[in-house]
Amino acid sequence: DAGVTQSPTHLIKTRGQQVTLRCSPKSGHDTVSWYQQALGQGPQFIFQYYEEEERQRGNFPDRFSGHQFPNYSSELNVNALLLGDSALYLCASSRTGGIMNTEAFFGQGTRLTVV
Amino acid sequence: EDKVVQSPLSLVVHEGDTVTLNCSYEVTNFRSLLWYKQEKKAPTFLFMLTSSGIEKKSGRLSSILDKKELFSILNITATQTGDSAVYLCAVGWTSGSRLTFGEGTQLTVNP
Repeated sequence: DAGVTQSPTHLIKTRGQQVTLRCSPKSGHDTVSWYQQALGQGPQFIFQYYEEEERQRGNFPDRFSGHQFPNYSSELNVNALLLGDSALYLCASSRTGGIMNTEAFFGQGTRLTVV
Repeated sequence: EDKVVQSPLSLVVHEGDTVTLNCSYEVTNFRSLLWYKQEKKAPTFLFMLTSSGIEKKSGRLSSILDKKELFSILNITATQTGDSAVYLCAVGWTSGSRLTFGEGTQLTVNP
């Protein structure tokens, strides 16, 4: 059973460029959340997708956008990259609905460096 | 504003020592508290706690939640060098929803 997979693993972009990161959730999961983790910090919630819609959003500007496809995979897009966007971007999948929470499983992340 | 605070931020111990990591939180609509271990990139799931006073155990690791005092602890007994990692505490609001993370505790276990 493949876990959460993210691509690419590393990426170097120039300021002002745009980037797209991809995530495939764990089998049986229907919810994808994206997190940004700066060096030495805990992950910060960007947004969450469920049923192909953005359901919750953290304190991130509109330059950060996303999409969820019918197969539950997801993309994170960042426009007009800033040096401060350099971070590890983590995707987490979970299953929504029912009484019990399901824990979130994380992918290996995409290390984005903006130069 | 929702807040998760972990302490200590950094800890260095010798193999065989027992450590206790702390996590306090102020989160609206609390549903669960989760502990993750992060060695390189992907945080790996350790525990999810939803009820007070029920200890969860996995080998040398254990964790407990106090919903009245709004904190959790993660204990690691007989530490090994392989336990060296960042331990993240996160609070979840509702089923499958966003997680609010603490800064993490960097644990270093020396031989």
